[in-house]
Amino acid sequence: QKEVEQNSGPLSVPEGAIASLNCTYSDRGSQSFFWYRQYSGKSPELIMSIYSNGDKEDGRFTAQLNKASQYVSLLIRDSQPSDSATYLCAVVSGSARQLTFGSGTQLTVLP
Amino acid sequence: DAGVIQSPRHEVTEMGQEVTLRCKPISGHDYLFWYRQTMMRGLELLIYFNNNVPIDDSGMPEDRFSAKMPNASFSTLKIQPSEPRDSAVYFCASREGETQYFGPGTRLLVL
Repeated sequence: QKEVEQNSGPLSVPEGAIASLNCTYSDRGSQSFFWYRQYSGKSPELIMSIYSNGDKEDGRFTAQLNKASQYVSLLIRDSQPSDSATYLCAVVSGSARQLTFGSGTQLTVLP
Repeated sequence: DAGVIQSPRHEVTEMGQEVTLRCKPISGHDYLFWYRQTMMRGLELLIYFNNNVPIDDSGMPEDRFSAKMPNASFSTLKIQPSEPRDSAVYFCASREGETQYFGPGTRLLVL
C-alpha cells in the first residue's frame, strides 16, 4: 500500500464548478498535511496546509482533514481555467518530518 | 529572497557521462531535499540534509548517485555514470519549519 494515495484522474470540471480532490494516507501518526499545485513544466507550489480535523478555508480553496478516516481533501470553489494543474497531496512523516507525496491528481477546468 | 536556485535548468548528456546538478537553498533554511520526478514514479525523495549533514539517503537509487552539501548555501547531486533511465526532472527544496519550498528544477535528458 502506498503511503499517500490520490485519485490520479484526470479530473475535468466546468468553469465555475467545485473541484474535489481526495487523498488518503497510511501513517496514522501523521499530523501535518499539505496541498501543492504544480503547473505543467513548473515546480510544486504550496497552496494549503492543514493540521487539525475539520475545514480550513483560504479564498476559493478549502482543505478538509479527517484523521480518524486518514483522509484529506481539497475543494476548489468557482473553478477557473487557471486552476488547471496537477495537485499533489503531501503528508509529513518520518523522524525528520519529511514530506511524502501522493502521485497527484490532474485537474482540467473547462471554459 | 530569490527562492531556491537550481542550475542548470536543462541538461542533455550522453549515456556514461557525469552529470552534476546544483542547488542553492533559501538562506536560513536548515533542511535541504533532493527529489526526482518522472511520469511513472511521481515525486520521489532521494536524499535530505539537516544543517549540511546527510540524514537519509535511502531514496538514492544506486551508487551512481551521490550528493554533497559542503556548506549551508550549496548542494550538489552527481550522477556518474549517467544512464537513459536517469532522465527526469530533479528538484531541490529547502524548508523553514514545516513549509517546504521547491526550486525550479533541472530537466535532465540522458541519451
